[in-house]
Amino acid sequence: SQTIHQWPATLVQPVGSPLSLECTVEGTSNPNLYWYRQAAGRGLQLLFYSVGIGQISSEVPQNLSASRPQDRQFILSSKKLLLSDSGFYLCAWNRALRTGELFFGEGSRLTVL
Amino acid sequence: GESVGLHLPTLSVQEGDNSIINCAYSNSASDYFIWYKQESGKGPQFIIDIRSNMDKRQGQRVTVLLNKTVKHLSLQIAATQPGDSAVYFCAENIANNAGNMLTFGGGTRLMVKP
Repeated sequence: SQTIHQWPATLVQPVGSPLSLECTVEGTSNPNLYWYRQAAGRGLQLLFYSVGIGQISSEVPQNLSASRPQDRQFILSSKKLLLSDSGFYLCAWNRALRTGELFFGEGSRLTVL
Repeated sequence: GESVGLHLPTLSVQEGDNSIINCAYSNSASDYFIWYKQESGKGPQFIIDIRSNMDKRQGQRVTVLLNKTVKHLSLQIAATQPGDSAVYFCAENIANNAGNMLTFGGGTRLMVKP
């Protein structure tokens, strides 16, 4: 069976510090991978998606970047965090070129102080 | 979209009543739709899906209705329970250069009163 892991689950960082959130998927190959952000009490905002190693598409301009160094690994990064980067970050995957469910991780809650 | 910046609308229902959560989608070419449930502090979980060649699909205590004429999707929860309290998102599948992309609605918060 397929599983998705995100870490860390909770993170408190000072303004200006770097960020690295990691996501890995097990039990499948060549998945599409996604990063979403959710502000408190808000909807889901797509940040990045990837259809393969090294292939990253950005949906919104921002202070964040994403990388996919391996087929089932997706990393969200920032060189210098802003207060507005606080939120709940969700990694997700689905099967490439197939209509179907998007599977979400449990999320990483980031608080920037 | 713009809806991600807005506070979630709230639906408050009495325990045991039926709940109806509505969603308007944007693309008449969308061929697949999903409802997700998100409990506080967790990732969204799949509830039920429906393809565009259907107008109704039933699961356990949940029913999804699709009206393609007015691009409307609804989720009906029968005999709502306290454990149903969560945020509910609809999503539509739109084909693009990634193959398929789910676009999410803004979400509705369901609060069940005991």
